[in-house]
Amino acid sequence: NAGVTQTPKFQVLKTGQSMTLQCAQDMNHEYMSWYRQDPGMGLRLIHYSVGAGITDQGEVPNGYNVSRSTTEDFPLRLLSAAPSQTSVYFCASRVAGVWGADNTEAFFGQGTRLTVV
Amino acid sequence: RKEVEQDPGPFNVPEGATVAFNCTYSNSASQSFFWYRQDCRKEPKLLMSVYSSGNEDGRFTAQLNRASQYISLLIRDSKLSDSATYLCVVATSGTYKYIFGTGTRLKVLA
Repeated sequence: NAGVTQTPKFQVLKTGQSMTLQCAQDMNHEYMSWYRQDPGMGLRLIHYSVGAGITDQGEVPNGYNVSRSTTEDFPLRLLSAAPSQTSVYFCASRVAGVWGADNTEAFFGQGTRLTVV
Repeated sequence: RKEVEQDPGPFNVPEGATVAFNCTYSNSASQSFFWYRQDCRKEPKLLMSVYSSGNEDGRFTAQLNRASQYISLLIRDSKLSDSATYLCVVATSGTYKYIFGTGTRLKVLA
């Protein structure tokens, strides 16, 4: 089972470059989200989606864009990379809970380690 | 104040020891609680959900105290393989968001 697949696993960007981090899941999960993880900060939510065509901002959305054209894919775009965006990025997906309850297991991709120089 | 707070540790314990972590949350409307485990340079994985009545899974016991707004994780008979970072996760129904604590690092020593 593939689960949640993120690509690339590693990336080095120059300041000002743009790129897209890919995330795909094959579990037909409604909810998908992007987090960044920095030392001492834990996982912080960047953007999330509750279904195809629906996205919303998380805690730290500035400098990132997302779209959700299909249930399976949820790419994260860095518009103009900055050194402050050096981080480990995780994509996660989960099913919607019963009656909308937020109590379902989140499955994570293996992460993308991004360095902006 | 952070929504979810954890002692970062590290907790260094010998094999066979019992160790407990606490996690406090600030939103009294929070309704779902979890413990995730994250190994070094790996993705987080669900360890266990935390239910109101408390729950146990082998050597792991999770408790919820709504009055004091904290959850706990107890690990009995620690194994070397338990060395990892344990993440506390809190969700408020209908917000679609899971809020992660910064994690507590555990090192089990031989």
